[in-house]
Amino acid sequence: GQQLNQSPQSMFIQEGEDVSMNCTSSSIFNTWLWYKQEPGEGPVLLIALYKAGELTSNGRLTAQFGITRKDSFLNISASIPSDVGIYFCAGQEVRGGTSYGKLTFGQGTILTVHP
Amino acid sequence: NAGVTQTPKFQVLKTGQSMTLQCAQDMNHNSMYWYRQDPGMGLRLIYYSASEGTTDKGEVPNGYNVSRLNKREFSLRLESAAPSQTSVYFCASSGTYNQPQHFGDGTRLSIL
Repeated sequence: GQQLNQSPQSMFIQEGEDVSMNCTSSSIFNTWLWYKQEPGEGPVLLIALYKAGELTSNGRLTAQFGITRKDSFLNISASIPSDVGIYFCAGQEVRGGTSYGKLTFGQGTILTVHP
Repeated sequence: NAGVTQTPKFQVLKTGQSMTLQCAQDMNHNSMYWYRQDPGMGLRLIYYSASEGTTDKGEVPNGYNVSRLNKREFSLRLESAAPSQTSVYFCASSGTYNQPQHFGDGTRLSIL
């Protein structure tokens, strides 16, 4: 099956620093999604990307859909303590003629922000 | 503003026991999904239901069954629980196939 490689696996940063994480795939996706998961909760959608080359922002978060459609990155600017959590990328296939879009998840990036 | 609701939140079972995990969404979504999350492995799809009345296997379906009871509800059943099924289980839903999935808060299941 498809594999997503997400890096780094973990990050320890100081409040105020910028953060960058990325995902690469061996296959092409039609959509890239970025989720954040906090302890005891389910993943929450942060950003959805639908076109190759697309750059989208959501507050201090910026994500890009790679030109090759095999990669995506997420940047967080001026990190704050509440940014702590696990960040997941997910690539979505869309198969013609069906109503199902399979999601493949990366392994996650654990972010720790020191005040 | 419930979104996706999963019950129970926690459960401990003995090997061989059966159990049904419940999921309901109030967003009028057509598609629903069951995932399991294990350390270092991200989320893996167990089963999905593209629309009411249909279900299909995902990446790791062995040992599980599902029922799409109606448009709102999608249940996951473990007929004979095994320790390898100890995991956190997430239900998700999406409006259509090309829309992002929204997740519940999970069921933490331990099998002894």
